[in-house]
Amino acid sequence: GAGVSQSPRYKVAKRGQDVALRCDPISGHVSLFWYQQALGQGPEFLTYFQNEAQLDKSGLPSDRFFAERPEGSVSTLKIQRTQQEDSAVYLCASSFLGPYNEQFFGPGTRLTVL
Amino acid sequence: GENVEQHPSTLSVQEGDSAVIKCTYSDSASNYFPWYKQELGKRPQLIIDIRSNVGEKKDQRIAVTLNKTAKHFSLHITETQPEDSAVYFCAALANAGGTSYGKLTFGQGTILTVHP
Repeated sequence: GAGVSQSPRYKVAKRGQDVALRCDPISGHVSLFWYQQALGQGPEFLTYFQNEAQLDKSGLPSDRFFAERPEGSVSTLKIQRTQQEDSAVYLCASSFLGPYNEQFFGPGTRLTVL
Repeated sequence: GENVEQHPSTLSVQEGDSAVIKCTYSDSASNYFPWYKQELGKRPQLIIDIRSNVGEKKDQRIAVTLNKTAKHFSLHITETQPEDSAVYFCAALANAGGTSYGKLTFGQGTILTVHP
């Protein structure tokens, strides 16, 4: 079947604009993760959903970041009043339930804030 | 929280040579260690992983070793090929609380270049 998909693949925003990034996980995957990957760095955990429940949002850097997964499938990461330091690749990953199951990553959305 | 250090940051080898990438972690509760390969502009993909109840795992030309006492683990690639060129990330997962999900902490990455 299809893998994890993300849209848009590239997003350019002016400082202060709001953006919304979409993730379509693999069908049947209960777990969904969002990561932020700065240039030349490893992914950093942002938030975790189990179905529609957001169980962990400890990695969200500020209250400008908000994520949702209302029907337990598609998820949206929203960033309000974007800042230059928000520029990064935002990766979504999904997996079956359980801590040791492989996380399948999407291609990411590269966000550039001017 | 968990902290993962990865070395070297860049590694250049000749085709056919072996490559070794090393990671250390800080949280003794970590019990799962996956390795991801990320080609330029592509998504990270799992290449091998190891649980804390074993010391070594092999899959063809790739192997991972784990030393829980020293809190370090390594990726070994033998008979390297140009298509092995990519960025490799190690990661660690602490599940001491018995949670139902895997919160991974990644290393900084190693850029591996295999010269033909």
